[in-house]
Amino acid sequence: EPEVTQTPSHQVTQMGQEVILRCVPISNHLYFYWYRQILGQKVEFLVSFYNNEISEKSEIFDDQFSVERPDGSNFTLKIRSTKLEDSAMYFCASSRQGAKYEQYFGPGTRLTVT
Amino acid sequence: AQRVTQPEKLLSVFKGAPVELKCNYSYSGSPELFWYVQYSRQRLQLLLRHISRESIKGFTADLNKGETSFHLKKPFAQEEDSAMYYCALSHSNYQLIWGAGTKLIIKP
Repeated sequence: EPEVTQTPSHQVTQMGQEVILRCVPISNHLYFYWYRQILGQKVEFLVSFYNNEISEKSEIFDDQFSVERPDGSNFTLKIRSTKLEDSAMYFCASSRQGAKYEQYFGPGTRLTVT
Repeated sequence: AQRVTQPEKLLSVFKGAPVELKCNYSYSGSPELFWYVQYSRQRLQLLLRHISRESIKGFTADLNKGETSFHLKKPFAQEEDSAMYYCALSHSNYQLIWGAGTKLIIKP
């Protein structure tokens, strides 16, 4: 069964550094999402992406964040200048046409900002 | 404001006992509600959605608009049901709004 994959599984970075989190959605899916979960807190929506553009973004997704689909398979989340409070688990998800809310999640990337 | 509340952080029941995981929501409009599950060291996965009215792994959930609830139930818990359970609500066109999650422990 196809799965969403994410790399790396754990990323440690220093405050102020740029970080890129990578995701490979399920191949026939058209909607892509990033969520994050700070330790002990709720899963929070960051952004959704469809047809090569951002469909929706939350207040968390400020100018420090960007997403890109650089080729036909990868979907990336970039944080330009990381802050301590960006430390969290970042989940990528994808869904197919006609079933936007049946979102398939990747295993997550744990980002630690020191 | 749209919100999903799962009042129990932890629920511990004996194997064979009934399970009810509570979820209440606040939403103006007609929501779509979901239960996601995360087993130990595994990814989040969709368990069920209210529209489909299915029973998955013996779990059911009924949307009660009067009580704004979407509780997850199973008549006889099994040890493999131990996991983190999240209730989620669809908002606008794309995003899911999540509850804080309930950790379910099934004792042998």
